[in-house]
Amino acid sequence: AQSVAQPEDQVNVAEGNPLTVKCTYSVSGNPYLFWYVQYPNRGLQFLLKYITGDNLVKGSYGFEAEFNKSQTSFHLKKPSALVSDSALYFCAVRDGGYSTLTFGKGTMLLVSP
Amino acid sequence: DAGITQSPRYKITETGRQVTLMCHQTWSHSYMFWYRQDLGHGLRLIYYSAAADITDKGEVPDGYVVSRSKTENFPLTLESATRSQTSVYFCASSEQGNGANVLTFGAGSRLTVL
Repeated sequence: AQSVAQPEDQVNVAEGNPLTVKCTYSVSGNPYLFWYVQYPNRGLQFLLKYITGDNLVKGSYGFEAEFNKSQTSFHLKKPSALVSDSALYFCAVRDGGYSTLTFGKGTMLLVSP
Repeated sequence: DAGITQSPRYKITETGRQVTLMCHQTWSHSYMFWYRQDLGHGLRLIYYSAAADITDKGEVPDGYVVSRSKTENFPLTLESATRSQTSVYFCASSEQGNGANVLTFGAGSRLTVL
């Protein structure tokens, strides 16, 4: 079975500071990892994904994520947070052989001015 | 306009009533999905479909029915709504269902069951 955990319900950061949103996963095979963002009253939007190759993945809006196989983690990062980054962030995992995507419970990111 | 649309966006109903949430996509994606979003649970998969006339259960299928007679439509029916089905429902689609395929989501349907 595949699963994903986001240990923080909320992350608070000041604008201009670096941010990290944590995600750990569990799969039986090779993981396909995704980050999505949800703004208020909107559907989820794709940010970035890791399939294979370079452990540092770059995505939309200046976000990046680091895949760490030994720690089974896929943390989302951004060097300098913006107030407009405030949103709900979801990590998701798919075992390569499965068709469905399993999402974490989400982490609310609040960036203060 | 191309994309994935859900209707209605907001619905209030009473316990025991039948409710159908509609989902329409214009990309001819093979796969379509229904998720529900609840505080503390994140997104949970209800049903998904790999093609027209092919559907399969997800994590929380009880109380829901789906059909897919056309590739572009994937309605979700609550045959007898319960209060526990109060939630925000998201439809999503993707070209294929495995590996690197990215899901594209609709804007959601907020359902309140009184």
